[in-house]
Amino acid sequence: KQEVTQIPAALSVPEGENLVLNCSFTDSAIYNLQWFRQDPGKGLTSLLLIQSSQREQTSGRLNASLDKSSGRSTLYIAASQPGDSATYLCAVRPVRGGGADGLTFGKGTHLIIQP
Amino acid sequence: NAGVTQTPKFQVLKTGQSMTLQCAQDMNHEYMSWYRQDPGMGLRLIHYSVGAGITDQGEVPNGYNVSRSTTEDFPLRLLSAAPSQTSVYFCASSYRQVRQPQHFGDGTRLSIL
Repeated sequence: KQEVTQIPAALSVPEGENLVLNCSFTDSAIYNLQWFRQDPGKGLTSLLLIQSSQREQTSGRLNASLDKSSGRSTLYIAASQPGDSATYLCAVRPVRGGGADGLTFGKGTHLIIQP
Repeated sequence: NAGVTQTPKFQVLKTGQSMTLQCAQDMNHEYMSWYRQDPGMGLRLIHYSVGAGITDQGEVPNGYNVSRSTTEDFPLRLLSAAPSQTSVYFCASSYRQVRQPQHFGDGTRLSIL
């Protein structure tokens, strides 16, 4: 069974720092990996989607990488801002089940950016 | 520009009551699904549908019922609510192709007393 782990569970850094959030998964047979942001009491906002054949995706100050063979992904946030404070979720779409089984999620990294 | 719309946003029920959580999308997505989010557990798949008239069970289907009569709507029914079903429920949709991104609603926060 696919399992997704996110480290660290929580992170607090001063504004302006560059930071890396980690995601690992146990089964490399995936279609893609998606990073989400969740604000308190809110829904999930998709940040980046990386297909299994891709190595990285970029959007603004965000860069996500994927090493499928080793079962790892990182989300890099450049020049962090207080508005980046949120919980970041990593999810993979396993090949097992033909993709119909939806996404397997990690438990998230709770990020606080101190002004 | 509605995307995925979930209603209600909040609900309190008594044990044994029934209710339906509504989910609608206006993107003509074939694939729709329901997740629950619990502290320390992450999101877990309850039921999913690959198109109108087709539904299947996810990881935690017990106590929930679904149907898909139209492409747009995918309601989730609690037949007899239990305190263990206190959770935040999210509906998601996407095009059927597995490489398409999932789009999520804002969630329904459900408390069972």
